[in-house]
Amino acid sequence: DTAVSQTPKYLVTQMGNDKSIKCEQNLGHDTMYWYKQDSKKFLKIMFSYNNKELIINETVPNRFSPKSPDKAHLNLHINSLELGDSAVYFCASSQRTGMNTEAFFGQGTRLTVV
Amino acid sequence: AQSVTQPDIHITVSEGASLELRCNYSYGATPYLFWYVQSPGQGLQLLLKYFSGDTLVQGIKGFEAEFKRSQSSFNLRKPSVHWSDAAEYFCAVGPIQGAQKLVFGQGTRLTINP
Repeated sequence: DTAVSQTPKYLVTQMGNDKSIKCEQNLGHDTMYWYKQDSKKFLKIMFSYNNKELIINETVPNRFSPKSPDKAHLNLHINSLELGDSAVYFCASSQRTGMNTEAFFGQGTRLTVV
Repeated sequence: AQSVTQPDIHITVSEGASLELRCNYSYGATPYLFWYVQSPGQGLQLLLKYFSGDTLVQGIKGFEAEFKRSQSSFNLRKPSVHWSDAAEYFCAVGPIQGAQKLVFGQGTRLTINP
């Protein structure tokens, strides 16, 4: 079974459109994340949710809105897509409490805005 | 501010040769340190992690890393590389100021010559 799964894997869309990326984890973790990997492979956190509560929001444009319906899901909705949003978006999860903060990552969603 | 530096953007080694990938970090407290590998078109897979204790940690696929506090380093090593090790390798530090997020280095691309 896939631990952290994202859909879709590839997303090609036009500028100005609105799109969503879904993420689900079956690890029982209480914290989920969205990371963005740019064209130079640099990875940076965007958001973090703990038990459905937003705990990290890293200066991301408000066109990006994460939504966590329950602690196993964290979706990313992007409004009015721009060319610069083209990137690979990774979902991840970890257990916040205790010593083990190891994060498990999904396969990524490659978003291309044309 | 917390940061991770991987000085080598691209390394090429011959199959069967030994490998060392460098990672230096800047962090105000005892860090949790990680090495992740990203194969082409794939997500991030955890190779190994350091939380505390023995400064030489063993990971999957024959990799090991050594934490050296005096040098603020966490270099990744493998005695004999295989063609399947060709990938992008990321060093990361976390959590940051109690927040459950990882700060990544810029990655090192490993190419294996046959």
